[in-house]
Amino acid sequence: EPEVTQTPSHQVTQMGQEVILRCVPISNHLYFYWYRQILGQKVEFLVSFYNNEISEKSEIFDDQFSVERPDGSNFTLKIRSTKLEDSAMYFCASSRTSGGFGTQYFGPGTRLLVL
Amino acid sequence: DQQVKQNSPSLSVQEGRISILNCDYTNSMFDYFLWYKKYPAEGPTFLISISSIKDKNEDGRFTVFLNKSAKHLSLHIVPSQPGDSAVYFCAARDVHGSSNTGKLIFGQGTTLQVKP
Repeated sequence: EPEVTQTPSHQVTQMGQEVILRCVPISNHLYFYWYRQILGQKVEFLVSFYNNEISEKSEIFDDQFSVERPDGSNFTLKIRSTKLEDSAMYFCASSRTSGGFGTQYFGPGTRLLVL
Repeated sequence: DQQVKQNSPSLSVQEGRISILNCDYTNSMFDYFLWYKKYPAEGPTFLISISSIKDKNEDGRFTVFLNKSAKHLSLHIVPSQPGDSAVYFCAARDVHGSSNTGKLIFGQGTTLQVKP
């Protein structure tokens, strides 16, 4: 069964460093998402991506964040200068459509720890 | 932003009995609701969904009920099994918004423990 994969599973970084989180969505999916979950809190939407551009972003997704689909398979989230409060689980998701029965399937997550 | 709420942080049931997880929402424009199950250190796993035009959807041991007038949905698991022990998230989608991106808004989650 196709699944969303994410690398790395864990990342520890120093405050101010850049990190890139990688995702391989399900191959025939067209919509891509990043969510995050700070420990003990809700899963929160960060950004959606369709047709090689951002279609929606949340207030959390400020200028320090960027997303890219550098080739036909990878989808990346970059945080340019990490802050302590960026420590969270980051989940990538993908779906075939945004409407109808376009279920989003999630990857296993990357646990980011900023020291 | 409390558009989707799961008011019970935890639920404990005996194996074989019914588990009922509840979810309330405030945005009447939500058109699609999903339940996800999550184990520690893993991503949310899709369980079951329901369109706003329906009031019930069943898949094996899992049934989701939607009461639009009350803006309430529930997930029933019958019979409950120890392997069902996990965090259950309710999520809602609004595709009528200007962006139409299908972003999901999650509840806080309910931790289900099924005792053998």
